Amino acid sequence: GAGVSQSPRYKVAKRGQDVALRCDPISGHVSLFWYQQALGQGPEFLTYFQNEAQLDKSGLPSDRFFAERPEGSVSTLKIQRTQQEDSAVYLCASSLKGQEAFFGQGTRLTVV
Amino acid sequence: AQSVTQPDIHITVSEGASLELRCNYSYGATPYLFWYVQSPGQGLQLLLKYFSGDTLVQGIKGFEAEFKRSQSSFNLRKPSVHWSDAAEYFCAVGASGGYQKVTFGIGTKLQVIP
Repeated sequence: GAGVSQSPRYKVAKRGQDVALRCDPISGHVSLFWYQQALGQGPEFLTYFQNEAQLDKSGLPSDRFFAERPEGSVSTLKIQRTQQEDSAVYLCASSLKGQEAFFGQGTRLTVV
Repeated sequence: AQSVTQPDIHITVSEGASLELRCNYSYGATPYLFWYVQSPGQGLQLLLKYFSGDTLVQGIKGFEAEFKRSQSSFNLRKPSVHWSDAAEYFCAVGASGGYQKVTFGIGTKLQVIP
């Protein structure tokens, strides 16, 4: 596709449920980023991949959060045992190395 | 640690009026600075960036920003606002390498009245 695609767009999860959020980057983009945007806040960095290598995961808030990009293209952000504070919009962005990052529309996660 | 302050949460301007959105940053070295715009239901779009060189940078949609090292500021300006500019604007700072691990401000929501 022409842009970064994220699915699902909306996800409602019961507390304690595991969720998986998908990001399809722009074809050929080696860098991929995940951000978390809570209501009324700016996006906060979670993790960064270059190809399949996760170079920075310092922003992941707990060990319940896990991201992977096994073939250097599609990435999945997994959240285990979701809690209410995980409710947020999860943004994915991709870029050529060192170039402008393009953002997807995000996945809005609501934990009830 | 790098940080960004956007002191104005909401701003209302009349269509055709000028606009200035404030941004102050904290970063130890030369910062990489960005302004993004987020419209409802849309992803973040880069308006402009400053990495080095001329401190007045031009962006898309008629926006510009000026880097002032002495004031640790990177304010966004537009001479004449259009109704379509209503959106949320985020200032952001990146470490060396530019787009990696960007820290965003809380955002300024712009309302444009006719």
